[in-house]
Amino acid sequence: LAKTTQPISMDSYEGQEVNITCSHNNIATNDYITWYQQFPSQGPRFIIQGYKTKVTNEVASLFIPADRKSSTLSLPRVSLSDTAVYYCLVHYSSASKIIFGSGTRLSIRP
Amino acid sequence: GAGVSQSPSNKVTEKGKDVELRCDPISGHTALYWYRQRLGQGLEFLIYFQGNSAPDKSGLPSDRFSAERTGESVSTLTIQRTQQEDSAVYLCASSLDFRQETQYFGPGTRLLVL
Repeated sequence: LAKTTQPISMDSYEGQEVNITCSHNNIATNDYITWYQQFPSQGPRFIIQGYKTKVTNEVASLFIPADRKSSTLSLPRVSLSDTAVYYCLVHYSSASKIIFGSGTRLSIRP
Repeated sequence: GAGVSQSPSNKVTEKGKDVELRCDPISGHTALYWYRQRLGQGLEFLIYFQGNSAPDKSGLPSDRFSAERTGESVSTLTIQRTQQEDSAVYLCASSLDFRQETQYFGPGTRLLVL
């Protein structure tokens, strides 16, 4: 049974690096991992997507180990505005299913 | 506008009434998705369309829920005989196609069933 699991909440401080890990133990060869950010009363917003190893863009990095059964979203030098809920999504293409994790509520303190 | 739009933005209805929620995807996006998000909860996948075909309807919570899409354009999510547990934000997203493409979300429709 495909399942995507992530921590319920995390706390950190401004300027720190934050790493949020998602487990997806039934991921298949062609399935991608995507992370979204959601602020209150808004729809989720794309952060980063990856397939294997490491992907980096202007806001985050995504680390995916060789077995691809987990992935880690890394936010460098967080600020108060990074306080949001972060969702991991696995697109199980062979099963035509999309499974979001339950979301990680990240709180950043001054 | 260039983004995904949804209407109405808010809907209050009485238990037992039917409601229709509309989603206008980004032009050129062939894939369209519906999600439900209850207050303080995560995203629950309901259904997706590739074109006007819905390959997987297993995410719909009950037979009171149905969705259709006209070509590669607007989609309507219909909830019949609404119940209080249907109260939630219904989010629509679209992407270029179903294969590993970034989803762009609309602002959602907030449904309250009294």
